[in-house]
Amino acid sequence: GQQVMQIPQYQHVQEGEDFTTYCNSSTTLSNIQWYKQRPGGHPVFLIQLVKSGEVKKQKRLTFQFGEAKKNSSLHITATQTTDVGTYFCAGCPVNRDDKIIFGKGTRLHILP
Amino acid sequence: DGGITQSPKYLFRKEGQNVTLSCEQNLNHDAMYWYRQDPGQGLRLIYYSQIVNDFQKGDIAEGYSVSREKKESFPLTVTSAQKNPTAFYLCASTLTLAGGTDTQYFGPGTRLTVL
Repeated sequence: GQQVMQIPQYQHVQEGEDFTTYCNSSTTLSNIQWYKQRPGGHPVFLIQLVKSGEVKKQKRLTFQFGEAKKNSSLHITATQTTDVGTYFCAGCPVNRDDKIIFGKGTRLHILP
Repeated sequence: DGGITQSPKYLFRKEGQNVTLSCEQNLNHDAMYWYRQDPGQGLRLIYYSQIVNDFQKGDIAEGYSVSREKKESFPLTVTSAQKNPTAFYLCASTLTLAGGTDTQYFGPGTRLTVL
């Protein structure tokens, strides 16, 4: 079946280091969304990418959507303690706009 | 103040009992969703509803039931047939029927523990 794979599952970084999580789909996506879930909280929408090769930035966060619309990445520059949490990608398969498939998430720990 | 509410935040039940989790939204969103979250497993879709009195099974519907009698309410019943019900349950909604391309707004979740 259709899957969205996300790596790594866990990442520990020193505060100030960069962090990247990758998302790969077994099928072409019409869009990719990214969510952040703080410890003990619920997922909160960060951004949606729609176009092939699209790059969007939110302060220290950079989101990319691959040319083939099958992969995506989230890069955080100079991590801060407030970045702690689990980052999920979620993709919508082409021709199925009612369906979104979540990756398993990458849990980010920041070491002070 | 608009949003999605889920109650209760923590729920304990004995094995073999059915339990109903509440989800209410005042965002006037058309579609609502139930997800189950287990450690390291991400979000798995249980059921979703795009319109009142209609709903569809997600990837892990067995042992669960839902109803959508009102646009703003989408309760989930975890039945005794669900073999491993202990989990964190998240309700979400989207403004339109296009749940794959629309922003999902999540409630705070209910953590169910079956003893």
